[in-house]
Amino acid sequence: DSGVTQTPKHLITATGQRVTLRCSPRSGDLSVYWYQQSLDQGLQFLIHYYNGEERAKGNILERFSAQQFPDLHSELNLSSLELGDSALYFCASSAGGGPTEQYFGPGTRLTVT
Amino acid sequence: AQTVTQSQPEMSVQEAETVTLSCTYDTSESDYYLFWYKQPPSRQMILVIRQEAYKQQNATENRFSVNFQKAAKSFSLKISDSQLGDAAMYFCAYRSAFATSGTYKYIFGTGTRLKVLA
Repeated sequence: DSGVTQTPKHLITATGQRVTLRCSPRSGDLSVYWYQQSLDQGLQFLIHYYNGEERAKGNILERFSAQQFPDLHSELNLSSLELGDSALYFCASSAGGGPTEQYFGPGTRLTVT
Repeated sequence: AQTVTQSQPEMSVQEAETVTLSCTYDTSESDYYLFWYKQPPSRQMILVIRQEAYKQQNATENRFSVNFQKAAKSFSLKISDSQLGDAAMYFCAYRSAFATSGTYKYIFGTGTRLKVLA
């Protein structure tokens, strides 16, 4: 158990809908990262937040947004969902903002029908 | 643009033997970080090993070691005394240092599936 929690574990929704994925980092970690793993695109870095502020942006679509709250949990919002958004979404956390070890959550499996 | 290439989609190794997974990358930057991640069937991603580009010494973590060749842009992972629990998907990843714009690139390879034979 990495100490990172993600909810929900599974999510099934229809095209055009909006969903919110939640991540709680390990106690004391200030950074939260979001990743997407799909059969088509492989593993992709989406976005990094450090202590509430956006630190780096990867291949995150404009339909997707994220934020980190004062209690350091993070949410990833996916809107206008398409079939191609079906994927495993990982959250990870680390103590600092640099390239230190990240601890990954178990992921949220999103299926868009 | 930076790229990461893992040319071996699948590898097999006999238990207790040694196996090397290949990774090459392309970048014009001099300061960056390289990682190997393991993803077992449980899908939980685990960091195996990390290498800073400015360090010439190859990183080692117990049975896992890397051969970092900066000039050749190669970053291979050697697993010694392979165990059944090493069976997993292994991803190589590149992370640039922070740019003056305050951001960085983080790119993963397509992965190598390692099978360990008893």
